[in-house]
Amino acid sequence: KAGVTQTPRYLIKTRGQQVTLSCSPISGHRSVSWYQQTPGQGLQFLFEYFSETQRNKGNFPGRFSGRQFSNSRSEMNVSTLELGDSALYLCASSLAGQRDIQYFGAGTRLSVL
Amino acid sequence: ILNVEQSPQSLHVQEGDSTNFTCSFPSSNFYALHWYRWETAKSPEALFVMTLNGDEKKKGRISATLNTKEGYSYLYIKGSQPEDSATYLCAFCNFGNEKLTFGTGTRLTIIP
Repeated sequence: KAGVTQTPRYLIKTRGQQVTLSCSPISGHRSVSWYQQTPGQGLQFLFEYFSETQRNKGNFPGRFSGRQFSNSRSEMNVSTLELGDSALYLCASSLAGQRDIQYFGAGTRLSVL
Repeated sequence: ILNVEQSPQSLHVQEGDSTNFTCSFPSSNFYALHWYRWETAKSPEALFVMTLNGDEKKKGRISATLNTKEGYSYLYIKGSQPEDSATYLCAFCNFGNEKLTFGTGTRLTIIP
């Protein structure tokens, strides 16, 4: 059974640009959650999608958005990038939501110059 | 804002010794408590999901206990091995919005 796949693994962008990250969940999982990891911080929750609907949202500005497709694949978009957006972005999938075991992808390392 | 606190932040343990660390979380509206192990250059991997007060879970040399009334969970590692070196994360899920809030982790280093 394939695990959670995130693409790309590494990304370098400049301030003001936008970026789209992709996450393919484990087959059969309907929930996809996104997290941001920065040095010294825990995993900060961005949002959760379930059956193509955003079910939960963390405390991030509107520049961070996402969506989920009918095959449960999810994308996260960050517009007007800032230096502080440099981070590791992880996605996790689960059967029914955040109360269930989360299966994490390897992450996308975003550097904003 | 939910606070999930883990202590200590980091720990060095001699190979063969046993160790434990703590996760503190709000005692109200409890739904689930998760533990994950995050090794360098890998993805976080689930260890346990606990939902009932008094729960004790075990996986090999690693075990965890849960006290929802006072809001804490302990993770124990018996006979530490070098492969136990990792950051151990706990995450609290509250009833209502079912949103996971992670602690900042305990970074464990096993000294051979």
